[in-house]
Amino acid sequence: DIQMTQSPSSLSASLGDRITITCRSSQSISSYLNWYQQKPGKAPKLLIFSASSLRSGVPSRFSGTGSGTDFTLTITNLQPEDFATFYCQQSFSIPPTFGGGTKVEI
Amino acid sequence: EVQLLESGGGLIQPGGSLRLSCKASGFSVDSYAMHWVRQAPGKGLEWVSGISGSGATTIYAESVKGRFTISRDNSENTVDLQMSSMGADDTAVYYCALGDTAMVPETNFLDPWGQGTLVSVSS
Repeated sequence: DIQMTQSPSSLSASLGDRITITCRSSQSISSYLNWYQQKPGKAPKLLIFSASSLRSGVPSRFSGTGSGTDFTLTITNLQPEDFATFYCQQSFSIPPTFGGGTKVEI
Repeated sequence: EVQLLESGGGLIQPGGSLRLSCKASGFSVDSYAMHWVRQAPGKGLEWVSGISGSGATTIYAESVKGRFTISRDNSENTVDLQMSSMGADDTAVYYCALGDTAMVPETNFLDPWGQGTLVSVSS
């Protein structure tokens, strides 16, 4: 199975900040990388697919980059509703695997 | 609007069986693969199983292979997960999620997800 490693596991930020979350895969996954946001008690929601494509309806302050083994999720101008846990997920091979999550806190 | 609604969760004793169901609305499920993903309390996400739009292809995580069976009824727009020989490690919120293609191995991303149903395995 492909292992997905996120860093940091948690971070503290303030409103208006720019933050970056990193996801690394144990082998090359091309651009088969997705990002999800999960708020407490809620289901995950897709933010970005194929490494850099923004899901319709997701604010443009979210962006994703990377290919191969190294990927980043960047959030600019952090808003109150952005405080949540973020997961990366590879869809290059079965089984799909997720990173351990990054909790973004105030 | 595409919606997924899971049901069937509850408290089950170790070694027991439980059947989860996911009801889809707002679209025709036979055009899309469907997946189950679980999340143990306070933990991350673990993909469990997937089924193609036609139901012809199913795939499972090693941790549930031989114990869980995924199936679908496209006439009812439902996808089920039959779980047996359950253990404490199966305790989790179980989410169903829609794949972006009809084929399971070719699923690129999961969107949307249902609200989840809690399964607790305990004596």
